[in-house]
Amino acid sequence: DAGVIQSPRHEVTEMGQEVTLRCKPISGHNSLFWYRQTMMRGLELLIYFNNNVPIDDSGMPEDRFSAKMPNASFSTLKIQPSEPRDSAVYFCASTERTELFFGSGTQLSVL
Amino acid sequence: QKEVEQNSGPLSVPEGAIASLNCTYSDRVSQSFFWYRQYSGKSPELIMSIYSNGDKEDGRFTAQLNKASQYVSLLIRDSQPSDSATYLCAVIIGGTSYGKLTFGQGTILTVHP
Repeated sequence: DAGVIQSPRHEVTEMGQEVTLRCKPISGHNSLFWYRQTMMRGLELLIYFNNNVPIDDSGMPEDRFSAKMPNASFSTLKIQPSEPRDSAVYFCASTERTELFFGSGTQLSVL
Repeated sequence: QKEVEQNSGPLSVPEGAIASLNCTYSDRVSQSFFWYRQYSGKSPELIMSIYSNGDKEDGRFTAQLNKASQYVSLLIRDSQPSDSATYLCAVIIGGTSYGKLTFGQGTILTVHP
């Protein structure tokens, strides 16, 4: 298996623009997590899905953030409108049980 | 109080020494604990998991868990320069064995030759 696949690897955008991050989990994994990592706040859980259903979105910072998982092989994290404080590395991770496998991350810069 | 806290570091040890990394957690009913390693510019990768009180050894790594003290640690014996990385403690909050994995801030470890 190719592992968790995220796209794009890097995204540079201007404040106010919509940003969509994409994730393909490992086949057979039934849970998917979105994390955000910054120097100041470390690795924060934004939302996680189990069997495509959002279980806990308490980490989503604001209504500007939304996440979907339309099927077992695809998830998106959308920020609309984006702000400079959203600049961070966004990781997607999947698991079959307890061991999380992380994607390579998306480095987001909002100017 | 943060849900998962790690000793702030950074930690610097000479090659061949034992590196000791510590972590405390706030949720008394948590059952599942993990150590992840993250190299600069890379994603975290799992190196150890522990679920029962006591020690668990895997090669040069030993994880120690004390649920009464809500404390988990990682020892790295015979530290190598390639061990230089950020080490993240992670806990599944709540009494389940899967679900919301919460990470500590991480401890930067540098092993110098």
